[in-house]
Amino acid sequence: SQQGEEDPQALSIQEGENATMNCSYKTSINNLQWYRQNSGRGLVHLILIRSNEREKHSGRLRVTLDTSKKSSSLLITASRAADTASYFCATEGGKLIFGQGTELSVKP
Amino acid sequence: EAGVVQSPRYKIIEKKQPVAFWCNPISGHNTLYWYRQNLGQGPELLIRYENEEAVDDSQLPKDRFSAERLKGVDSTLKIQPAELGDSAVYLCASSPQGTNTEAFFGQGTRLTVV
Repeated sequence: SQQGEEDPQALSIQEGENATMNCSYKTSINNLQWYRQNSGRGLVHLILIRSNEREKHSGRLRVTLDTSKKSSSLLITASRAADTASYFCATEGGKLIFGQGTELSVKP
Repeated sequence: EAGVVQSPRYKIIEKKQPVAFWCNPISGHNTLYWYRQNLGQGPELLIRYENEEAVDDSQLPKDRFSAERLKGVDSTLKIQPAELGDSAVYLCASSPQGTNTEAFFGQGTRLTVV
């Protein structure tokens, strides 16, 4: 059973715009991770944020974590067509559990 | 450095037949996962190994699924007999130690049961 729930399920934007995806979860966690999956490929790790961190940056990615609300967000700034993929949050609280994902489409 | 290697990439079998998937994790990684991913959904954990010990197999349908990780390195996942509902992508992942670090995924094996 999945713990994380991503919102929205699908997102379509133009190149250059920002994309924001949200993840909510139910139980306490040690860390929360975001992964990307291109069609027909394996998952690629993007960023890990620990439960005692509130914000983390990596290149064009910005992740926030609010443990009081049990939620996280992933912001991709200045999106590119190559960012088109499915994005999953995964919560770690003894086991690594994935959500259903957000399908992002970036149109050139 | 080689990533996680899975084989085969694709497999088509008739229902009731057995099937096996193989995974070679990144060298030195003690933690190995098997996930199943249905179309349009996130990966679901089947089993997690720490070295050769299965520490979490609560989601593994044990009536037809089995897994092993000999010598704490390569792993195989077997289904016998396969059912139509087993059609999915089976993903293997590894991480250096435990679940508190990033996991590295293989390309997966796409299974179609007809």
